[in-house]
Amino acid sequence: RKEVEQDPGPFNVPEGATVAFNCTYSNSASQSFFWYRQDCRKEPKLLMSVYSSGNEDGRFTAQLNRASQYISLLIRDSKLSDSATYLCVVNRGHDYKLSFGAGTTVTVRA
Amino acid sequence: EPEVTQTPSHQVTQMGQEVILRCVPISNHLYFYWYRQILGQKVEFLVSFYNNEISEKSEIFDDQFSVERPDGSNFTLKIRSTKLEDSAMYFCASNGEGDTNYGYTFGSGTRLTVV
Repeated sequence: RKEVEQDPGPFNVPEGATVAFNCTYSNSASQSFFWYRQDCRKEPKLLMSVYSSGNEDGRFTAQLNRASQYISLLIRDSKLSDSATYLCVVNRGHDYKLSFGAGTTVTVRA
Repeated sequence: EPEVTQTPSHQVTQMGQEVILRCVPISNHLYFYWYRQILGQKVEFLVSFYNNEISEKSEIFDDQFSVERPDGSNFTLKIRSTKLEDSAMYFCASNGEGDTNYGYTFGSGTRLTVV
């Protein structure tokens, strides 16, 4: 089983729509969880950390379900600029290295 | 906003040649990493570095790879004898306190093309 698995998409949505997708992780001892955004041929950029209670940052909402070992990201009122690949990233613990999912591609169309 | 700086942005090299990829992490960060991303594939961990030594490395990071922090600011990745399959984006990252609740700052990457 892969450490971090994501639905690759692509999710093609119109502007203003809501889009949501999940990620699962295999290591139950994982401690920290993140969503990164990656534009084509660019570096990953931190979008938001994911906390146990769930958290929101503007139009973005992240949820963590430790029992089922999945993380979700919801984007409300999609903008054209939200088009990117969203990477689910898990920190496995004391060694601090990150494990990346392969990414979910989102395309927002006008 | 503090940045991680990588040079060069693009390097083309012949198979068998040595390359050195350079990174300047954020100045007060203590943990440094190299990751790579082969085109169309996921980001993969190579090595982590703390307190002037490697703290962990992946199976990708074989004897052809080495890292160094020669002068307290630069953090380099050396590939001794490049292979075609080393062609990838190489990202340097740094982290402040090793706090697992914070994300990492990535540099903009070096695109390595081995021909």
